Amino acid sequence: QVQLQESGPGLVKPSQTLSLTCTVSGDSISSGSYYWSWIRQPAGKGLEWIGRIYTSGSTDYTPSLKSRVTISIDTSKNQFSLKLSSVTAADTAVYYCASGYSGYAKYWGQGTLVTVSS
Amino acid sequence: QSALTQPPSASGSPGQSVTISCTGTSSDVGGYNLVSWYQQHPGKAPKLMIYEVTQRPSGVPDRFSGSKSGNTASLTVSGLQAEDEADYYCSSYDGSNNFVFGSGTKVTVL
Repeated sequence: QVQLQESGPGLVKPSQTLSLTCTVSGDSISSGSYYWSWIRQPAGKGLEWIGRIYTSGSTDYTPSLKSRVTISIDTSKNQFSLKLSSVTAADTAVYYCASGYSGYAKYWGQGTLVTVSS
Repeated sequence: QSALTQPPSASGSPGQSVTISCTGTSSDVGGYNLVSWYQQHPGKAPKLMIYEVTQRPSGVPDRFSGSKSGNTASLTVSGLQAEDEADYYCSSYDGSNNFVFGSGTKVTVL
């Protein structure tokens, strides 16, 4: 069973870059056919898909965030990461990493709250 | 890229059934059999309940079922139990290597 754990700063200043890492256990990040995704949820609101990376390194990003998002993978550490630049208060949310096959997220991390504030 | 439309709330008594709709367009829900449903309890991560419109992951009770007609997908919970009270979100592939979630439905067990 794949397990995921998000880590990173819980507080980021406006205009700076949000950086989160998802550590994968229970399977190799480079094996299988999984997509590795980031999803966020502002307090009291719904889920928003941010993007995903395949084991080959190919990425897909949601259009509204595409200019500010980078998702990368580090197979040596069994981790994948999210970078979101030029953050504002609107980027305050619980950020989840997740994995699954093409159309769905089967495994989820517990989520980590990131607050954008000076 | 707009969120899929779900009713804000739904409710039913224990043992009854409740059905949640998820309406999109021919570019997302109607165009692909890549609709999934997630259950989220307060303060917890979402849990996959249905994938590829009708498929149920192992461990998910068969009280949960999915279907699709045209641009609308549905999740039915039969034999409602207290632990089914949660928020439910649908999701669909949108044909542009992106995914879109629904607005979410809060299910209350009366």
